[in-house]
Amino acid sequence: GAVVSQHPSWVICKSGTSVKIECRSLDFQATTMFWYRQFPKQSLMLMATSNEGSKATYEQGVEKDKFLINHASLTLSTLTVTSAHPEDSSFYICSARPGQANTDTQYFGPGTRLTVL
Amino acid sequence: AQSVTQLGSHVSVSEGALVLLRCNYSSSVPPYLFWYVQYPNQGLQLLLKYTSAATLVKGINGFEAEFKKSETSFHLTKPSAHMSDAAEYFCAVSAMNRDDKIIFGKGTRLHILP
Repeated sequence: GAVVSQHPSWVICKSGTSVKIECRSLDFQATTMFWYRQFPKQSLMLMATSNEGSKATYEQGVEKDKFLINHASLTLSTLTVTSAHPEDSSFYICSARPGQANTDTQYFGPGTRLTVL
Repeated sequence: AQSVTQLGSHVSVSEGALVLLRCNYSSSVPPYLFWYVQYPNQGLQLLLKYTSAATLVKGINGFEAEFKKSETSFHLTKPSAHMSDAAEYFCAVSAMNRDDKIIFGKGTRLHILP
């Protein structure tokens, strides 16, 4: 149980285009999902927290207009990188927290590698 | 505010030897503490977590960690390393009973020598 999937697993795009990444909780409902960014050989940096049905909360320094997050249902959150540039190339990982009283568990997706040419 | 410091970006141990990955945390509130493992080009897998119950936490794959409040540490150990343990390990902290952001350390890459 507690499986989180991401689609696509990798994507290559041209500079200036937009890319959408999906994060799905497959066997549980996730009231909260998190989006992280990981540069090569570095740690995960939290980008934003999204709660189903409300606006995402972005971490300091993350451009909300560039990284659009939508959490339209209890099993799906999307991250859209708008007008992507080479510096946006990174490994994007989502995690999902089940909608239960126990708040200490997040389940991570396998990640999406974005390469912007 | 919370933070995590992992001592040593790279650790090498011989197969069969003790694995010790160090983690110190800083937290203004009682913390939850986690260890995650990441294999190349994959997401994170939870090894174990401390949530204020037993201070010695046992996880998957033979790993365990001990919460020491006096030392603000949560070091990860395994008695005997296996080649398959080679990976990146992240220590992480979140606030207990408050919000659920997880703050990650910079990671330690574990190398296993044959």
